[in-house]
Amino acid sequence: EVQVVESGGGLVRPGESLRLSCVASGFNFPAYWMSWVRQAPGKGLEWVANIKQDGSVKYYLDSMRGRFTISRDNAKNSVHLQMNSLRAADSALYFCARVHAGNLCPDYWGQGTLVTVSS
Amino acid sequence: QSVLTQPPSASGTPGQRVTISCSGSRSNLGRNSVSWYQQLPGTAPKVLVYSDNQRPSGVPDRFSGSKSGTSASLAISGLQSEDEADYYCATWDDSLNGVVFGGGTKLTVL
Repeated sequence: EVQVVESGGGLVRPGESLRLSCVASGFNFPAYWMSWVRQAPGKGLEWVANIKQDGSVKYYLDSMRGRFTISRDNAKNSVHLQMNSLRAADSALYFCARVHAGNLCPDYWGQGTLVTVSS
Repeated sequence: QSVLTQPPSASGTPGQRVTISCSGSRSNLGRNSVSWYQQLPGTAPKVLVYSDNQRPSGVPDRFSGSKSGTSASLAISGLQSEDEADYYCATWDDSLNGVVFGGGTKLTVL
């Protein structure tokens, strides 16, 4: 069974940093792209970033490039999202997801980890 | 405003067939396949359809997807009360180099 479990969310002040982690199981992790998607309270889904199987290619939503960094550790079946200079607008539930090879969109999703940015 | 356009709401009665549309452009739906997701209240999204019309194992065949040009649709037949949820379409955009989602459609079963 495919499982994706996120961690690392919490309450931080504007300008601070946070590192989200995701551990996957139930599939051949090194063979898949991985993704982060977020959802602000009461809002729709917003893609954040994708990372290729070997970590050599990373794509970001324009507004996050430079502040957010996606990385992965295939030896630990994990993917991370380093978030710097956080703003109130970054408050959201952050989902980690496996990516379907066909269109680089998520297929299997974790339950999410909540990030709240507030003074 | 989302790159992919979905109606904000849809509704139907039990047993009915409803369709949810998703409109894009040449750089996204015109070149890449669509995925559809169901998000029940308080839960993570679940993929219903990928590669335009393929269902993962375990997804009932009441859910079907199609795509033509720059538009896609999700059809739900034999509507059930448990289908009440938010539905999202998504694809890759070659111009933006990123995943784009529709704004979501809230389905109400009357």
